[in-house]
Amino acid sequence: SQQGEEDPQALSIQEGENATMNCSYKTSINNLQWYRQNSGRGLVHLILIRSNEREKHSGRLRVTLDTSKKSSSLLITASRAADTASYFCATGDYKLSFGAGTTVTVRA
Amino acid sequence: EAGVAQSPRYKIIEKRQSVAFWCNPISGHATLYWYQQILGQGPKLLIQFQNNGVVDDSQLPKDRFSAERLKGVDSTLKIQPAKLEDSAVYLCASSLDGPGGTEAFFGQGTRLTVV
Repeated sequence: SQQGEEDPQALSIQEGENATMNCSYKTSINNLQWYRQNSGRGLVHLILIRSNEREKHSGRLRVTLDTSKKSSSLLITASRAADTASYFCATGDYKLSFGAGTTVTVRA
Repeated sequence: EAGVAQSPRYKIIEKRQSVAFWCNPISGHATLYWYQQILGQGPKLLIQFQNNGVVDDSQLPKDRFSAERLKGVDSTLKIQPAKLEDSAVYLCASSLDGPGGTEAFFGQGTRLTVV
């Protein structure tokens, strides 16, 4: 299965700290995506990183991809209360599959 | 640009009843997805359409779930008869093309409670 698995399951940090979560997958991919889901709402796309890219930035987000280890990481810098959400990685070249997610809580 | 529209937002039904969900994707998006998300879990892909053809429905419980995509645009997902374990949020998403290179846009979801 190409489905990714996120680690850790849950993360609690203080506002202003950085948050890092990881995603591991089993088969070769052409791209990997990260999504955010705020409580009770739909998912929002954050970043898509292609297999020939090693790192990508978007605002306070940094995503890395290591195809040799079949893993990706999402770093949120200078976290804010609004970053409290569940974060999912998604993989799949012909069907889009999600992992179980990492729940991030940012404490004020 | 209008987003993915889903209705209803909430639905409560008794077990063994039937229910239908509707999704209107973003205009021009070829790919449409239906996901089931049980509380505390990640979204599980039920069915994926490319235009009006099915790309994958391997995790769709076909004895009770059915889905169609009308003229490659709107889609409906039906459950008949519903079971208690079908209580979940049903998410619809669309993308310009397949997941090989484009992001998916999600609707707000339909929260189904089966009692």
